Order: sequence, then C-alpha cells, then structure tokens
Amino acid sequence: AQKVTQAQTEISVVEKEDVTLDCVYETRDTTYYLFWYKQPPSGELVFLIRRNSFDEQNEISGRYSWNFQKSTSSFNFTITASQVVDSAVYFCALRMTQGGSEKLVFGKGTKLTVNP
Amino acid sequence: NAGVTQTPKFQVLKTGQSMTLQCAQDMNHEYMSWYRQDPGMGLRLIHYSVGAGITDQGEVPNGYNVSRSTTEDFPLRLLSAAPSQTSVYFCASSYSINRGGYTFGSGTRLTVV
Repeated sequence: AQKVTQAQTEISVVEKEDVTLDCVYETRDTTYYLFWYKQPPSGELVFLIRRNSFDEQNEISGRYSWNFQKSTSSFNFTITASQVVDSAVYFCALRMTQGGSEKLVFGKGTKLTVNP
Repeated sequence: NAGVTQTPKFQVLKTGQSMTLQCAQDMNHEYMSWYRQDPGMGLRLIHYSVGAGITDQGEVPNGYNVSRSTTEDFPLRLLSAAPSQTSVYFCASSYSINRGGYTFGSGTRLTVV
C-alpha cells in the first residue's frame, strides 16, 4: 500500500518553542516525491516544500527545516521558534505513480496551535 | 497570472440537484486534479487528468464526473447531489512532477441539504 501517516492529530505549543511534525510514508516506487503543505485558518493550501527520493539532504528555509530519512521512511518538519502565525493544519503528501499516471496522496494532517 | 481559479467559493444545494464546480488554470499545466477535504480525513483524490482528453478516477470518484476538453479547464460535475458530498473541494494543477509542486485553488465549500 502507498500511504502517508501523520500520527500527531493536534499539537499545541507556546510561542518561541520548537516543534516537529512527523510524517511516515509507505511506497513501492523507487523514485518518489514528498511534499508539505500548510493550510492556515483561511483555508487555502500553501506549498512549502517538495523533496525527491534521491536527494536526502536536509533543507532549511528560515525557521523551517525538513529531515528526510529513507531508512525510516520519514519526512519530518520542524519549526524553530514558533510564532502565532504558524498556527495551521500541516499536510504531508506523497506523489505515487501507477500505470503511467500520478497521484498525490495526503496524510490526514496535523493541526498546530501556537499560543502567545 | 491568476494561478488556479475555482468558482464558486460557496454553494448550497438541495439533495438531488446537479451542479458543476469550475476550475481553470493559466499556467499551461498538464496535470489537473480534484480533491475533497473532510474533517479528520485529509484530502482525498476524486478524479484527475494528465492532459486534455485524458481523465481517470481517484480514490472517491462515485457521484462525480469530469472532462478535460482544454488544457486550461477541468470542471467537476455532481450528477445528483447527496448530503455525503458536503465538503470542501480543491482543484490542483502541476507541470510534470519534475517541474515543481502542485498549485491549489482556493477551494469551494459545498453544502448539500
């Protein structure tokens, strides 16, 4: 089966704390892509990052960082020094291929609340 | 460059009515898809298209039809609305995967009473 698991349904932190959102995936593909999206209370889906399976370098973008580990099939997302504006639902997604077509499979999301 | 445009943003339907959710993109993307988002379920794929004239079913296709007559447009048709189709619907598009992520529309909140 090809799927994405975000075990943390909700996380609540106090501003300036660091927080890590977990994502574990399953896929039969040898080449695959993983994504993180942010959905703020306004409802739109904001693309954060794409990672392909043959690039295991971790990535940092400002206060955001991503840790990709093929050995554990995980693609975790860390927010450093969280801010109230980080409050949102975060989705991890896996691009799967099947018979020449492609699909994006989402985890169920982690709702992050950052309290002042 | 408007990106992915979905209309309407909100809609209330009575059970049994039909309607079409519109999705248009101006980025010349090959791939377009429709998702529904329900509480606690994440986003689930309804239908997708890899190019004009080519469509296929996703995870939850029942009750929905699609067509792709042009590269720009990918409408989603509800044939006979049911309360179980109350959801938020998102349209997404992308180039081939090697050229970036998926761009999502702002969503359509549909209520079927």
